[in-house]
Amino acid sequence: GQQVMQIPQYQHVQEGEDFTTYCNSSTTLSNIQWYKQRPGGHPVFLIQLVKSGEVKKQKRLTFQFGEAKKNSSLHITATQTTDVGTYFCALSWGKLQFGAGTQVVVTP
Amino acid sequence: DTAVSQTPKYLVTQMGNDKSIKCEQNLGHDTMYWYKQDSKKFLKIMFSYNNKELIINETVPNRFSPKSPDKAHLNLHINSLELGDSAVYFCASSLLSANYGYTFGSGTRLTVV
Repeated sequence: GQQVMQIPQYQHVQEGEDFTTYCNSSTTLSNIQWYKQRPGGHPVFLIQLVKSGEVKKQKRLTFQFGEAKKNSSLHITATQTTDVGTYFCALSWGKLQFGAGTQVVVTP
Repeated sequence: DTAVSQTPKYLVTQMGNDKSIKCEQNLGHDTMYWYKQDSKKFLKIMFSYNNKELIINETVPNRFSPKSPDKAHLNLHINSLELGDSAVYFCASSLLSANYGYTFGSGTRLTVV
């Protein structure tokens, strides 16, 4: 079945800096979803990308779907302490299959 | 109003016991799921029901038995609990035809001692 690799597994970021997390697949994806899970919390749906080359923004978060629909990225600018948590990409193909996640720690 | 609610939030029990986790959603979704999150935060689907019918049954021990009395409820019963069952169990729901994001419950942290 389809699988995604997420990198990096961990990300330490200084407050105010930018960072990017990546989701890669060896096969073409029909769509990709992104979720955020705060420490001690539950996954919360952020966005779904469907079209090749699609770029969507949510305030400081920019989501991108690759032209070949084999990868996706989440870029956060000017990181704040509220950005701490684990960010998951997930494939939706009859069931939602999650990547391993990127755990983000923000230092003030 | 809570969209997807799970009970209990915490469950500590001894090996060999039987326990149940309940889930209810008031979003009008037709599909509900159980996910298991291990200590490394990996989220793995266990079961899915669409309109009370089992549609996904991943490789899960027979000790785990889901039940959906109606499309708004999905329960999970676990027999003969083992240490390795310790994890956070999340219920989620979605509208299957919409193929959009899932809504997750707040989770049940199960600790088997």
